[in-house]
Amino acid sequence: NAGVMQNPRHLVRRRGQEARLRCSPMKGHSHVYWYRQLPEEGLKFMVYLQKENIIDESGMPKERFSAEFPKEGPSILRIQQVVRGDSAAYFCASSPKQGTEAFFGQGTRLTVV
Amino acid sequence: AQTVTQSQPEMSAQEAETVTLSCTYDTSENNYYLFWYKQPPSRQMILVIRQEAYKQQNATENRFSVNFQKAAKSFSLKISDSQLGDTAMYFCAFMKVPGGGADGLTFGKGTHLIIQP
Repeated sequence: NAGVMQNPRHLVRRRGQEARLRCSPMKGHSHVYWYRQLPEEGLKFMVYLQKENIIDESGMPKERFSAEFPKEGPSILRIQQVVRGDSAAYFCASSPKQGTEAFFGQGTRLTVV
Repeated sequence: AQTVTQSQPEMSAQEAETVTLSCTYDTSENNYYLFWYKQPPSRQMILVIRQEAYKQQNATENRFSVNFQKAAKSFSLKISDSQLGDTAMYFCAFMKVPGGGADGLTFGKGTHLIIQP
């Protein structure tokens, strides 16, 4: 059973470009969480999704950020018009049901130049 | 809203020593989970140990154990017989029992543990 797969591992974008981060949850997991880790900080919750539904996006910036988890395919975290402050590691975690242990991917390190 | 505080940004110890990492949290919830995660240089987040708030017995996982004091809202991690491979960032995390609101984890800022030979 493969773990949570995130790609790419590293992503470099120029200011103003779009960044698309992908997360394939573990097999059988229908709950996906996205977190952001700034340098020297812990992870901060961004959004919680189930298949085709956003359950909680209270941690997402109101502008430029969006997330989806379609019926087929990976979950996508999309950042439009990236700025230097978006540089961070973005982690995805999945769980088989609400409130159970979440398994993390290895993260995508986004660098905005 | 919940907060998690780790007051030790960095700690070091000699191999084979016992190390204790501290964590306190603040919440008005009665039912919740607490976790310790390890993040080595590879950046992978690895679950070390988990505690359900309704359980009085402290969780134990091989060399890792916790001291959970619910009234004091304290959740420290003890690593016995520390090994070089224990060198990593350690994050304490809180999660509400589902029933409403965000189901994500709330993390502390982490403690960088260095085990020296």
